[in-house]
Amino acid sequence: GAVVSQHPSWVICKSGTSVKIECRSLDFQATTMFWYRQFPKQSLMLMATSNEGSKATYEQGVEKDKFLINHASLTLSTLTVTSAHPEDSSFYICSARGLAGYQETQYFGPGTRLLVL
Amino acid sequence: AQKITQTQPGMFVQEKEAVTLDCTYDTSDPSYGLFWYKQPSSGEMIFLIYQGSYDQQNATEGRYSLNFQKARKSANLVISASQLGDSAMYFCAMREGWRGSARQLTFGSGTQLTVLP
Repeated sequence: GAVVSQHPSWVICKSGTSVKIECRSLDFQATTMFWYRQFPKQSLMLMATSNEGSKATYEQGVEKDKFLINHASLTLSTLTVTSAHPEDSSFYICSARGLAGYQETQYFGPGTRLLVL
Repeated sequence: AQKITQTQPGMFVQEKEAVTLDCTYDTSDPSYGLFWYKQPSSGEMIFLIYQGSYDQQNATEGRYSLNFQKARKSANLVISASQLGDSAMYFCAMREGWRGSARQLTFGSGTQLTVLP
């Protein structure tokens, strides 16, 4: 079945550095990719939506200059957390949407745990 | 108002028994999709089942079935013959708009299911 990969699975970095997270759809072309953030014991919060070749649409309260999203192809989207701070520590999950025949699919990557020291 | 409501923060079920996880939704859009995901402690979001608003029959996928009651705006997940590996957080989600749209998923707060041996 469709698979979405995410890399790295976890990262520890120093405050002030930038971190790039990659999200790839492996078995299908993702027309739309989504980036979510999840705090412990909470639900997923949408950060932004991106379509291939166009600028991402950010949710209210999400700083687009801090969370840079690039959706360069139908199979790859990247999220860069710029000048990371400890409050950016979280679980980041990407999701890719496509159509497999009639069935609508939206699959999630395994997530990236970010810890900013 | 909450678009997706999961009223059961935690549920327990005996192994091999069936369990129903509740989900109600709120939308004025005639076209929408309803999803259920499982999130084990590893964090990965695992797609379980999908129901489109125009689908005449309730969706089923193996041991998972979706009890779709459109008039009541409910989309409960039924897991038959529970297994210990079913212990996880379960999220109900809705996508408003037509099937191929770029609209994002809105998630409920989740239900933590624990299967007892």
